[in-house]
Amino acid sequence: GAVVSQHPSWVICKSGTSVKIECRSLDFQATTMFWYRQFPKQSLMLMATSNEGSKATYEQGVEKDKFLINHASLTLSTLTVTSAHPEDSSFYICSARDRLQSGAYNSPLHFGNGTRLTVT
Amino acid sequence: AQTVTQSQPEMSVQEAETVTLSCTYDTSESDYYLFWYKQPPSRQMILVIRQEAYKQQNATENRFSVNFQKAAKSFSLKISDSQLGDAAMYFCAYRSPPGTYKYIFGTGTRLKVLA
Repeated sequence: GAVVSQHPSWVICKSGTSVKIECRSLDFQATTMFWYRQFPKQSLMLMATSNEGSKATYEQGVEKDKFLINHASLTLSTLTVTSAHPEDSSFYICSARDRLQSGAYNSPLHFGNGTRLTVT
Repeated sequence: AQTVTQSQPEMSVQEAETVTLSCTYDTSESDYYLFWYKQPPSRQMILVIRQEAYKQQNATENRFSVNFQKAAKSFSLKISDSQLGDAAMYFCAYRSPPGTYKYIFGTGTRLKVLA
């Protein structure tokens, strides 16, 4: 159980174009999803917290207009990298919190498999 | 601000032997949660073990156990009877008290298991 599907697993796009990454919770409802960015040989850096039906909360230094997040349903959050540049090339990982475990504060996050974005 | 430090970028262990991965953290909170996640080559983040700060007893999950020293703010992971499938990046993570689900990850330790 607790499967998070992330699509696509890898994408190559040209500089200036936009790319959308989907994060779906397959067997649970996720009121909150998180988007991370991971540079090579580095840790996961939280970009933003996505709450169903409301605006995402971005971490300091993350451009809201560049990384558009939409959490339209309890099972889907999307991250759109707008006007992508080579420096946006990275590994993006989403994670989700099970709505039914909201009272269990030690409940873990469930991670997607990640998306490798390469901007040429 | 909370920080998580993993001072070992890479560790090696012989198959069937035991290895300990270090993690220290800094926080002014008294109630928090700590996790170890594993990231194999597939890049899928997999929960290995978790520990509530209010619990004095160290968590164990089969071959995985932790040494949680709250006063020292240390949270090491011990892997016993290491297996080839244990080879991965291991991330220590801190999560602050109820009301937020922000995780802070360490920089990771790459574990190599030698046959």
